[in-house]
Amino acid sequence: DAGVIQSPRHEVTEMGQEVTLRCKPISGHNSLFWYRQTMMRGLELLIYFNNNVPIDDSGMPEDRFSAKMPNASFSTLKIQPSEPRDSAVYFCASRLQGASSYEQYFGPGTRLTVT
Amino acid sequence: DAKTTQPPSMDCAEGRAANLPCNHSTISGNEYVYWYRQIHSQGPQYIIHGLKNNETNEMASLIITEDRKSSTLILPHATLRDTAVYYCIVSSTGTASKLTFGTGTRLQVTL
Repeated sequence: DAGVIQSPRHEVTEMGQEVTLRCKPISGHNSLFWYRQTMMRGLELLIYFNNNVPIDDSGMPEDRFSAKMPNASFSTLKIQPSEPRDSAVYFCASRLQGASSYEQYFGPGTRLTVT
Repeated sequence: DAKTTQPPSMDCAEGRAANLPCNHSTISGNEYVYWYRQIHSQGPQYIIHGLKNNETNEMASLIITEDRKSSTLILPHATLRDTAVYYCIVSSTGTASKLTFGTGTRLQVTL
């Protein structure tokens, strides 16, 4: 299994530009999570989906952030317009909800730098 | 979800057992204790979880006190590759369950 795949691994963009981060969960997993990690705030949950439906988006910082999961094998996190304070590492994780264990499997992350 | 308290940092000599404590005094009856670790710049990695019984897998052992208010993660023979931030998380199961990461314990394994 390839694990959770995220792209791009690194993204550098200018303030005001649109940024799209992509995630492919582990095949067969039915829950997907987006996290953001910064030195100041640590690892924060932004949003998660179950069976492609958003369950909790209370961690999404503001309207500039949006996430979609059009099918079970793909999700995007979009920031429009981007700001320097959005610079962080963004992780995607997936989980098989309903199994006897509930561990999440994380991707390698996307390091976003907004200048 | 219940909150957890961990020491900010610990040291361990290579080859010795690393015992990482966690307090979760407000844990509810249906909440599990999860341990994850994050090696520098990588995504967090699941280690182990438990409800009330002690658990062991190929990576570690988890000891949960009888009152479930605290637990200890044990790495039996720490290696340099075990240097990481270790997170203790309490979470329920179910569709709405989620992980809330605290600041964790930074474990430094030394020669």
